[in-house]
Amino acid sequence: DTGVSQDPRHKITKRGQNVTFRCDPISEHNRLYWYRQTLGQGPEFLTYFQNEAQLEKSRLLSDRFSAERPKGSFSTLEIQRTEQGDSAMYLCASTPTSGTYNEQFFGPGTRLTVL
Amino acid sequence: AQSVTQLGSHVSVSEGALVLLRCNYSSSVPPYLFWYVQYPNQGLQLLLKYTTGATLVKGINGFEAEFKKSETSFHLTKPSAHMSDAAEYFCAVSEENFNKFYFGSGTKLNVKP
Repeated sequence: DTGVSQDPRHKITKRGQNVTFRCDPISEHNRLYWYRQTLGQGPEFLTYFQNEAQLEKSRLLSDRFSAERPKGSFSTLEIQRTEQGDSAMYLCASTPTSGTYNEQFFGPGTRLTVL
Repeated sequence: AQSVTQLGSHVSVSEGALVLLRCNYSSSVPPYLFWYVQYPNQGLQLLLKYTTGATLVKGINGFEAEFKKSETSFHLTKPSAHMSDAAEYFCAVSEENFNKFYFGSGTKLNVKP
């Protein structure tokens, strides 16, 4: 079962450092979403891609955040100059091809701790 | 913007008892509604969804939910709780184009032996 995978699973960094997370969606899923989940909260939408195009970004995604999905396959989420408030679980999800966007398959998440 | 409210951040039931997890949404357009379950250190897994058609939807593990437009609710139920149901449950709503999903803050279900 090749589900959505995320790497790393855990990341501890010092404030001010840059971090990059990777998400590998299920093969041939053309939509990919990034979410942030803080303790006691549900996932909050950050951004999504259809193939390689980034079609929407949340206002939560400050200028320090950037996401890419080259070639419409895996995606990366980079956070520059991390702050303690960035500590959260970062979730990735992908959805099947057109017509069935309504089921998201989530990865296990990357837990970021900023010291 | 859409929003989802889950009443009760923690719910505790005895094994074999009815499970009822509440979800209310606000939406200016016909919504698409979902329930997800999250086990510790795992990603979210879809339990069930309502898009169109029958308002009572059945999902995995014996769960079901009913879409009530007049009450803007989509409560999750299971007739008889099992120890393995202990997890966190999230209600979510999406607009028609599924560009964005809005999640509630979650309800942790504890099942007592």
